[in-house]
This record gives sequence, structure tokens and C-alpha cells, in this order.
Amino acid sequence: SAVISQKPSRDICQRGTSLTIQCQVDSQVTMMFWYRQQPGQSLTLIATANQGSEATYESGFVIDKFPISRPNLTFSTLTVSNMSPEDSSIYLCSVEESGTTYNEQFFGPGTRLTVL
Amino acid sequence: GENVEQHPSTLSVQEGDSAVIKCTYSDSASNYFPWYKQELGKRPQLIIDIRSNVGEKKDQRIAVTLNKTAKHFSLHITETQPEDSAVYFCAASIEDSSYKLIFGSGTRLLVRP
Repeated sequence: SAVISQKPSRDICQRGTSLTIQCQVDSQVTMMFWYRQQPGQSLTLIATANQGSEATYESGFVIDKFPISRPNLTFSTLTVSNMSPEDSSIYLCSVEESGTTYNEQFFGPGTRLTVL
Repeated sequence: GENVEQHPSTLSVQEGDSAVIKCTYSDSASNYFPWYKQELGKRPQLIIDIRSNVGEKKDQRIAVTLNKTAKHFSLHITETQPEDSAVYFCAASIEDSSYKLIFGSGTRLLVRP
């Protein structure tokens, strides 16, 4: 499977500031996704990021709060804007790998964000 | 949209016993059902998946079953070991469409030595 890395691995930020999270893949992938995992909770999809098009956001998530870039087939960024303590979560990117007979989704290691 | 429910939220079993985790989904168009294992502080890891054209799939000690009519799918772990202790998430998606995964709420499995 693809090797997926995220930067930073963790950060502590002040409310009102913004943080940009990077997701790097070692191979070209069409579909990338951003998820949020609040403490002790399940994973919630924020948006789908496809190269060459605007990200598609899920209900409850908006571009002004979570702008996403996808400049090429190996990289994406998620920005958490104007942060509040409620944004404290783990943010994970994932990629869809397509084989001849399968499509599977794999996750990056996550970015643990704490907002004070 | 799709909604996935998962039960139980916690499960404690004796080492060597079997564990079963159940999920239901709402969207009949869903056709891909993966299971992820997440150990503390780690990323979710894909452990097994099943597509709607089969009813059961096995991989060593783990198996997944799918009942499309009832919109149920289950994870079965046999001969559990302490290293199976983790949080398990089921998910559903529509392949050849959005591919986005909708996750269940998770099951915390504890295997007692």
C-alpha cells in the first residue's frame, strides 16, 4: 500500500489562529479524503479532495473553515481556520488505492491538534 | 445519506473466545464494507473488507459476513488474543461513485489474558 505521511504530527495552537496540515503520498492517487476524529469518537469525513477540482465538503463542514488544496496527485493540505477549542481533534488524510479488482482506502498517521 | 450503526460499543472477551461485532447500514446502494482496527494512538488499519457480490470472506482468524437484504454486516474474530485488543470500526461506501467512507461509532474490544 501507499506510504502516507502527515505534517505536523501534533500541534498546540491558540484560539483564533489557523493551522495547515500537509498530507504527502509516495505514489499518485486520484482520490484523497480528510477526516476528523474527536477524542474517543469515530471518524467523520470532512471533504473529498480530487486533483484539478474543488473539494467536496460534507454536511456541517464549510470551505471557509476548512480550506483544502490539492495541487497534484501526491499532495494535499487541510487548513483549520480561526480555531476554537472545539476544533481539538485528530485530523487524518486517507487515499483511495485502485487495483485491477479492488479499491481500498488507507490512512495517514494523523495530526493531533489541541486548541487552547 | 448513509448511516452506519455499530454494536456493541464495548466488548470484553476471554483470550481464546470469539468476538462478534455487528453493523447495519441504511443506504441500499452501498456496496463496499471495510473494517478498520485502531490501536491507541495509531492510525486506523484496514483489516478486512467485503463487497456486495459475496456473502462471506475469511482471512485467518477474522471473517466478515454480509446480509444485503437485511443491510447487516458483521466482523467475527476467532481464537482472540490480547493483541486483538483495540477499537474496531465498520464502514460503508459506494464504489464507483463517491468512494467516501461512512463509519460506525466503533467497538472497543478488550481481550483478557
